[in-house]
Amino acid sequence: RKEVEQDPGPFNVPEGATVAFNCTYSNSASQSFFWYRQDCRKEPKLLMSVYSSGNEDGRFTAQLNRASQYISLLIRDSKLSDSATYLCVVNPYNFNKFYFGSGTKLNVKP
Amino acid sequence: NAGVTQTPKFQVLKTGQSMTLQCAQDMNHNSMYWYRQDPGMGLRLIYYSASEGTTDKGEVPNGYNVSRLNKREFSLRLESAAPSQTSVYFCASSPARGTQYFGPGTRLTVL
Repeated sequence: RKEVEQDPGPFNVPEGATVAFNCTYSNSASQSFFWYRQDCRKEPKLLMSVYSSGNEDGRFTAQLNRASQYISLLIRDSKLSDSATYLCVVNPYNFNKFYFGSGTKLNVKP
Repeated sequence: NAGVTQTPKFQVLKTGQSMTLQCAQDMNHNSMYWYRQDPGMGLRLIYYSASEGTTDKGEVPNGYNVSRLNKREFSLRLESAAPSQTSVYFCASSPARGTQYFGPGTRLTVL
């Protein structure tokens, strides 16, 4: 079983829509969780960390559900510039190792 | 502030050739990483270095060697390149507890 699993998509949504992605992780001892954004042929960049209490940054909201072992990312009022691949990242028990999901592709259409 | 830099950006090798990918960071981070990214596979960890002088294997270390030359630099060597090593290689660094910062990547093709 993979450490981190994501729906590859693509999610095709119109501008202004709300879209949500989930990511499941296999190791219940996981400690740190992140969402990264990756544009085509570019390096991944941190979008936001995911805290136990959930956190919000503008149009983006991240949630952690430890009981069901998943994290989620909600994007409100989608913009064309949100089109990218969103990577879920989990640090299971060792801060020196991070496991990446294969990414969920989002296409925001005019 | 350059962050994480990688050289070269592109490389084409023939099977059996060797090369070294260079990575440097100027953020004074302790930990550094090498990943490869293949279509549909996500990023897979090749090797990492928790601190200067230490290196450990990741998920896919076969066919690679690494050197943590000093705190700033972490190199990845392919001794005898194979077509299966055609990929995009990313270097990253992170502080002791925290997020990773990535370099721009090296696109390697092995013929």
